Amino acid sequence: EDKVVQSPLSLVVHEGDTVTLNCSYEVTNFRSLLWYKQEKKAPTFLFMLTSSGIEKKSGRLSSILDKKELFSILNITATQTGDSAIYLCAVPISGGYNKLIFGAGTRLAVHP
Amino acid sequence: DAGVTQSPTHLIKTRGQQVTLRCSPKSGHDTVSWYQQALGQGPQFIFQYYEEEERQRGNFPDRFSGHQFPNYSSELNVNALLLGDSALYLCASSLVFRENEQYFGPGTRLTVT
Repeated sequence: EDKVVQSPLSLVVHEGDTVTLNCSYEVTNFRSLLWYKQEKKAPTFLFMLTSSGIEKKSGRLSSILDKKELFSILNITATQTGDSAIYLCAVPISGGYNKLIFGAGTRLAVHP
Repeated sequence: DAGVTQSPTHLIKTRGQQVTLRCSPKSGHDTVSWYQQALGQGPQFIFQYYEEEERQRGNFPDRFSGHQFPNYSSELNVNALLLGDSALYLCASSLVFRENEQYFGPGTRLTVT
């Protein structure tokens, strides 16, 4: 059965800390992995990682994909209170058109 | 360029009632997917519509049904509501050949009492 597992489920840090969020997956015919940030309601797209793009960076956020070990990590450096959100990892299912399988998410709280 | 919109924002229903949620996709998008996100969980795929037909379905009972209109907008209907149907219902739109680029709407928060 296809599945995506995220850890930790929740995390509390102080501004300026660096955090690492984990996502492991077991899917048939893996093609890509996506990270989303969900602050209140709508998940917003952060990164897509594929076989041809296993590392992405945008400002203080970066992500890598390890296709051999079947996991991805999302790093956030110099965290700010505005980084407080739920971070979701998702994988498109083979043969499933646009169907995404999501992990349960990591709830990050950044305190001043 | 309007993004994905959903209505209503919030809804409170009683067990056994029926509900209809609406979604308008991002301009130019032709595919709409619906997800249910229970508290503390990631979104779960309900079904997807393309060319006014249900293209695939997740593990949800027949009480969940949908429709896509010629203008690509979509509705999600849930009959015989249960307390467990309380969740955030998210709509995502995309282009049929750009399967990874899904844009999510703000969702409808459904509470069943």
